[in-house]
Amino acid sequence: GQNIDQPTEMTATEGAIVQINCTYQTSGFNGLFWYQQHAGEAPTFLSYNVLDGLEEKGRFSSFLSRSKGYSYLLLKELQMKDSASYLCALFDYKLSFGAGTTVTVRA
Amino acid sequence: GAGVSQSPRYKVAKRGQDVALRCDPISGHVSLFWYQQALGQGPEFLTYFQNEAQLDKSGLPSDRFFAERPEGSVSTLKIQRTQQEDSAVYLCASSRRGRTDTQYFGPGTRLTVL
Repeated sequence: GQNIDQPTEMTATEGAIVQINCTYQTSGFNGLFWYQQHAGEAPTFLSYNVLDGLEEKGRFSSFLSRSKGYSYLLLKELQMKDSASYLCALFDYKLSFGAGTTVTVRA
Repeated sequence: GAGVSQSPRYKVAKRGQDVALRCDPISGHVSLFWYQQALGQGPEFLTYFQNEAQLDKSGLPSDRFFAERPEGSVSTLKIQRTQQEDSAVYLCASSRRGRTDTQYFGPGTRLTVL
């Protein structure tokens, strides 16, 4: 397998910043996706990194370092609606997901 | 809406029954994927279609699982002689082009086998 590791849970306060790390042990992939999944709903696309570096999309940013086998998703200005599971996935035409990180945003 | 749709949303089956799960991808999307998501886990790949051709079925857990997409649009995932370990959410995803595009997911079918 690709041994994709993410923290199980994180808690943060509304308005704060949270960084979700994802580590993996493979070099054979095209890119790395981040998806958001609210309980009982479909995963929705957040970001995609092909090259090393930072991709910024509004309040969400994602970073990839292939040499370090590492990615992170940065969520800024947290809102209550950001409470969800965040899934890291390696892409080589099919997606190989980590178990997901459940983020709880508190008022 | 124009997203991926799946039916039924919920299915309860008795052990040993056959079930069929349907996926309607986004119109014009070439690629279609099935994933299985156990409680508290990330989705696991089951199978992949490009148009009507099933190009990868390496993730299907046993020969009780069968998928088809005969006309290159709607797909059906069939599970024969269901077992309790088949209980999971079955997600369908589609993408516009072949192997390189973002996958968009449907809401899933939650299968419970009693």
